[in-house]
Amino acid sequence: DQQVKQNSPSLSVQEGRISILNCDYTNSMFDYFLWYKKYPAEGPTFLISISSIKDKNEDGRFTVFLNKSAKHLSLHIVPSQPGDSAVYFCAAGPNEKLTFGTGTRLTIIP
Amino acid sequence: NAGVMQNPRHLVRRRGQEARLRCSPMKGHSHVYWYRQLPEEGLKFMVYLQKENIIDESGMPKERFSAEFPKEGPSILRIQQVVRGDSAAYFCASSPVSGSRTDTQYFGPGTRLTVL
Repeated sequence: DQQVKQNSPSLSVQEGRISILNCDYTNSMFDYFLWYKKYPAEGPTFLISISSIKDKNEDGRFTVFLNKSAKHLSLHIVPSQPGDSAVYFCAAGPNEKLTFGTGTRLTIIP
Repeated sequence: NAGVMQNPRHLVRRRGQEARLRCSPMKGHSHVYWYRQLPEEGLKFMVYLQKENIIDESGMPKERFSAEFPKEGPSILRIQQVVRGDSAAYFCASSPVSGSRTDTQYFGPGTRLTVL
């Protein structure tokens, strides 16, 4: 069973515009959420996280929004840059045992 | 400050052989996690270790797989009698000594295991 779902396998966005990546989860026990970015042949790199006591967390160009009632989170990147082209994974957990989504491949078009 | 190191980066084994994957956590980190990524899938948790202790191995297959994190040296993920279905990317992550569940996990570059 896929407890963390990223329903868009790919997304293309014009450079300078906003990129919005979405993630849905089904496990009500999840209360800590993270976004990782992954380049080919490298390990995932931590981007930003949010706990369930908040509905928004911002770090520079990256903002994560959490809608607990809908069991939905999203990552906003603005403005999008060519170096943002990568696969983005959302992850969730009630503890250290993270559950990952299948990833969304973001392509920034110059 | 060196990041999480994994070796080898690529490993080729024939069916029935053993695979040993090594992970050295970031300096100051004493918590290690192993994940496996099959093609077109997300990372799947396998095991969580602290020095000399297995904390959670609920994601480990019951047979052929084992993990350790000795007092000295890297963490080792060992796969005995490999089969083609073990072909995957294996990622190690580490987090700080505080052990807080909200500590960020920092990932290594992974070991890509190919079983012929």
